[in-house]
Amino acid sequence: AQSVTQPDIHITVSEGASLELRCNYSYGATPYLFWYVQSPGQGLQLLLKYFSGDTLVQGIKGFEAEFKRSQSSFNLRKPSVHWSDAAEYFCAVGANFGNEKLTFGTGTRLTIIP
Amino acid sequence: GAVVSQHPSWVICKSGTSVKIECRSLDFQATTMFWYRQFPKQSLMLMATSNEGSKATYEQGVEKDKFLINHASLTLSTLTVTSAHPEDSSFYICSAAPGPEAFFGQGTRLTVV
Repeated sequence: AQSVTQPDIHITVSEGASLELRCNYSYGATPYLFWYVQSPGQGLQLLLKYFSGDTLVQGIKGFEAEFKRSQSSFNLRKPSVHWSDAAEYFCAVGANFGNEKLTFGTGTRLTIIP
Repeated sequence: GAVVSQHPSWVICKSGTSVKIECRSLDFQATTMFWYRQFPKQSLMLMATSNEGSKATYEQGVEKDKFLINHASLTLSTLTVTSAHPEDSSFYICSAAPGPEAFFGQGTRLTVV
């Protein structure tokens, strides 16, 4: 069965500092990997996705993530965070043939301090 | 990107009543939609897979008689919480995928009083 682990429940960073959110997955085949962001009481917005090809993927809002098959990881990074980045971030894995249910990690809550 | 619309955004109902939540794919056809539930400060847990024209597939532990799913058309799936109780209060989110990427509705905050 597929699973996703986000080891950090809560991270606090200063505005302007760099950010890395960790995600490890377990999947029997080549996975589709996603990062979503959720503001309080809102739905999910896709930040970026990895299907194949270049293992460093660029997303919206200045985010990027790197797929490392050997480490079963898909960590999310941003060089300089903004106060508006404060939210909940979810890593998810899906099957590589599309239109399948997603398995989500438990999420990482990001707090930004001035 | 594709648009998935969910309605209502929030609803308050009395214990014992039923509540219907709609999930629509606005610009694509979706033979499959997914319903997730999210408890406060927790992750999304898949409840069921909604299949157009056939019965929904429920995840283990989800009561199919309490959470009725109907997927009568290629653009609409509904989730009905029957005989709602306070423990059913949660955030419900649907998703659909025209391809490998899933798009999510805005979510519905259900409060049962």
